[in-house]
Amino acid sequence: AQTVTQSQPEMSVQEAETVTLSCTYDTSENNYYLFWYKQPPSRQMILVIRQEAYKQQNATENRFSVNFQKAAKSFSLKISDSQLGDTAMYFCAFMKPRDGATNKLIFGTGTLLAVQP
Amino acid sequence: EAGVAQSPRYKIIEKRQSVAFWCNPISGHATLYWYQQILGQGPKLLIQFQNNGVVDDSQLPKDRFSAERLKGVDSTLKIQPAKLEDSAVYLCASSLWLGPQGEQYFGPGTRLTVT
Repeated sequence: AQTVTQSQPEMSVQEAETVTLSCTYDTSENNYYLFWYKQPPSRQMILVIRQEAYKQQNATENRFSVNFQKAAKSFSLKISDSQLGDTAMYFCAFMKPRDGATNKLIFGTGTLLAVQP
Repeated sequence: EAGVAQSPRYKIIEKRQSVAFWCNPISGHATLYWYQQILGQGPKLLIQFQNNGVVDDSQLPKDRFSAERLKGVDSTLKIQPAKLEDSAVYLCASSLWLGPQGEQYFGPGTRLTVT
């Protein structure tokens, strides 16, 4: 069974600085997808970034980028130029595409990020 | 476009009572998901629908939880009877299509407290 581990329950960063959130996962699969979701206080969870395991190039979305190390089963999220609006719980998630195409996401326990002014 | 709607936003019940949650997905989204998020944990998939058919309910405690999506649009999730350990946020999500490219859009959740 796949598992996702986020070892940093809480992190803090000063506004405009860079922060990296860690995520490791365990799977025997070769083809899968990894995601970072953001859950702001009292607001909906939204997708931040997605990485396909067969792509060697790390995904980037504006100030958000990932460091995907397939052999090490590591998938960290880097937030550059942190903004107050980045304060949220961040979840790392794994998906194994299956025949029949179920989109089952397996989430980690989350990292609570606080951006300080 | 309107997002995923859920109601109620908060619910407090006593153990052994029943409760129902409602979800209205984004218009046109064929796939609907119910997740349970216990405090301090990540969301866990309870059940997934494709239109009005169940795709995955392997983690749904079927002795007390039930869900339906009769017309392939709205969905309800019911708990009967509730236990203390059911206290959690219940998240509904929808996606346009199956497969990993179908981004899941989440609703605001229903926070259930069982006393």
